Amino acid sequence: ELKVEQNPLFLSMQEGKNYTIYCNYSTTSDRLYWYRQDPGKSLESLFVLLSNGAVKQEGRLMASLDTKARLSTLHITAAVHDLSATYFCAVGTASKLTFGTGTRLQVTL
Amino acid sequence: DGGITQSPKYLFRKEGQNVTLSCEQNLNHDAMYWYRQDPGQGLRLIYYSQIVNDFQKGDIAEGYSVSREKKESFPLTVTSAQKNPTAFYLCASSMGGGGYNEQFFGPGTRLTVL
Repeated sequence: ELKVEQNPLFLSMQEGKNYTIYCNYSTTSDRLYWYRQDPGKSLESLFVLLSNGAVKQEGRLMASLDTKARLSTLHITAAVHDLSATYFCAVGTASKLTFGTGTRLQVTL
Repeated sequence: DGGITQSPKYLFRKEGQNVTLSCEQNLNHDAMYWYRQDPGQGLRLIYYSQIVNDFQKGDIAEGYSVSREKKESFPLTVTSAQKNPTAFYLCASSMGGGGYNEQFFGPGTRLTVL
């Protein structure tokens, strides 16, 4: 059974500093998705990573994928309050998406 | 506007009742999914459908049922056999099935058992 682990589960960030979220998974895949969820809301697609070495950036967020290490990272540059949310990675296989448990980010002044 | 709609937004169920959650999409997607989310947790797959008139059980199908009579619609029924149905339910769709196609999510239905 595919397992997807995120760490940390909770991250308190100071505004202006840099942080990284890690997503490890237990089986071969070259499809990795990152989603954002605001409290009480649905999931919003952030990034789709389709191959080893893929890197995508949007604003202060940058996601990368290392399929050999079975690891994806979401890097936050100069955190701002608007980034406070829960972030999920999801690994795609032939049959389905498997989600991690999420990382809740809280940005403080 | 293309998208996925779910209704109702909030639903209250008495014990022993069956309730049906609606999911409609106008994205012309072939595949549709139902997920359950419990507080502080990730999403778990209940059922999915890759084509009209066909669907498969996900990881936690017990106590749930679905139908896929139209491409646009994928309703979920939470039956009385589901012992702990209080959760946030999310519907999603994608061009093709499986995990190789990006899934897009509806706004969700929050179900509470009274």
